[in-house]
Amino acid sequence: DTAVSQTPKYLVTQMGNDKSIKCEQNLGHDTMYWYKQDSKKFLKIMFSYNNKELIINETVPNRFSPKSPDKAHLNLHINSLELGDSAVYFCASSPDASSYNEQFFGPGTRLTVL
Amino acid sequence: GNSVTQMEGPVTLSEEAFLTINCTYTATGYPSLFWYVQYPGEGLQLLLKATKADDKGSNKGFEATYRKETTSFHLEKGSVQVSDSAVYFCALSAGANNLFFGTGTRLTVIP
Repeated sequence: DTAVSQTPKYLVTQMGNDKSIKCEQNLGHDTMYWYKQDSKKFLKIMFSYNNKELIINETVPNRFSPKSPDKAHLNLHINSLELGDSAVYFCASSPDASSYNEQFFGPGTRLTVL
Repeated sequence: GNSVTQMEGPVTLSEEAFLTINCTYTATGYPSLFWYVQYPGEGLQLLLKATKADDKGSNKGFEATYRKETTSFHLEKGSVQVSDSAVYFCALSAGANNLFFGTGTRLTVIP
């Protein structure tokens, strides 16, 4: 009965390829997020959507494009993959965008770019 | 701006030892403060939180107090177990719920 799920769990691909990571939450939350965790475990917000609308877009290359077809899904598409994109990507959700809310994280997608 | 400074790891303790992981923050406005834990191969999960000054968050024997005067939110546990081995992240949220994380502290508890 997974709350926040991501697919795939592992993704290995060549430089220059385009790939997508999917995220779904069954918690009925309004707000969803993408985070990037680098090799030193540092976590940084990339995007946040509230009710399918983009509310946070940190300094991320425009090769990264989030898409939210509905409130329960926030997918991440990456064009022209580079070596530096190798990381673990976490999806998360929260009831709404209030700052006191807990965020629920998915299990992560480990992306390796060769 | 918003930022979190967290004690560098790794930390290695014997079972039943006392744990402190220091966390200080810089924030505009009145942030909420969180400790998240990441077990090996898993995503993050909330350990505890505090949403205003002097609040104490507690869970599973861990606790942390929101100290506005020292801008701190140190994590403590009186007696750690092997199962507490994980990476611990201090984080703050202000305004739109955008979490700013510290660098994480890896804790290893040995029997």
